[in-house]
Amino acid sequence: DAKTTQPNSMESNEEEPVHLPCNHSTISGTDYIHWYRQLPSQGPEYVIHGLTSNVNNRMASLAIAEDRKSSTLILHRATLRDAAVYYCILRDYRDDKIIFGKGTRLHILP
Amino acid sequence: ETGVTQTPRHLVMGMTNKKSLKCEQHLGHNAMYWYKQSAKKPLELMFVYNFKEQTENNSVPSRFSPECPNSSHLFLHLHTLQPEDSALYLCASSQGAQAEGNIQYFGAGTRLSVL
Repeated sequence: DAKTTQPNSMESNEEEPVHLPCNHSTISGTDYIHWYRQLPSQGPEYVIHGLTSNVNNRMASLAIAEDRKSSTLILHRATLRDAAVYYCILRDYRDDKIIFGKGTRLHILP
Repeated sequence: ETGVTQTPRHLVMGMTNKKSLKCEQHLGHNAMYWYKQSAKKPLELMFVYNFKEQTENNSVPSRFSPECPNSSHLFLHLHTLQPEDSALYLCASSQGAQAEGNIQYFGAGTRLSVL
């Protein structure tokens, strides 16, 4: 499985933007980039996904490098409720499964 | 509310007990998954079912036995577990690989303690 590399933890101030990086230098042409997050005491929840172009939805934006070897999840205005573990995952479009790594634990400071 | 319901939320069992975890999805999805999340470890994929057929068994010990009677229900039967099996067990569902994105929706999990 293609792997991703994320920082173990990050901190950000409330109401400021947050940029969560992810490196995936071995990404293949059939891999989508997915982001999930897991809030305390909950199961993971989907955040956003993309293939080549930048993507926006109500939760976040996903910026994908032109060579697709890295991506950045952007939370435009962090709140305390955004404190969670954020997982960057590569999913082969032909495959049902996704493989979770350790993710980035995001701390939001009031 | 994600549309995926897991019961029970908490379970304590002895090593000689037999118990079952239940997962139900109300999303019309075709694929269902069991994951294990131990303390300070990444989520581990255990089993994948697609249209009720098992398509993935990630080298899970036989003391864990999955059952998928239909696309809406998934069970995990447990017997003669070990204390190291104590973990959060998560169920998820998705439309399947053929769906764009194939987004997985997770339940809240069952917190299992094996004494």
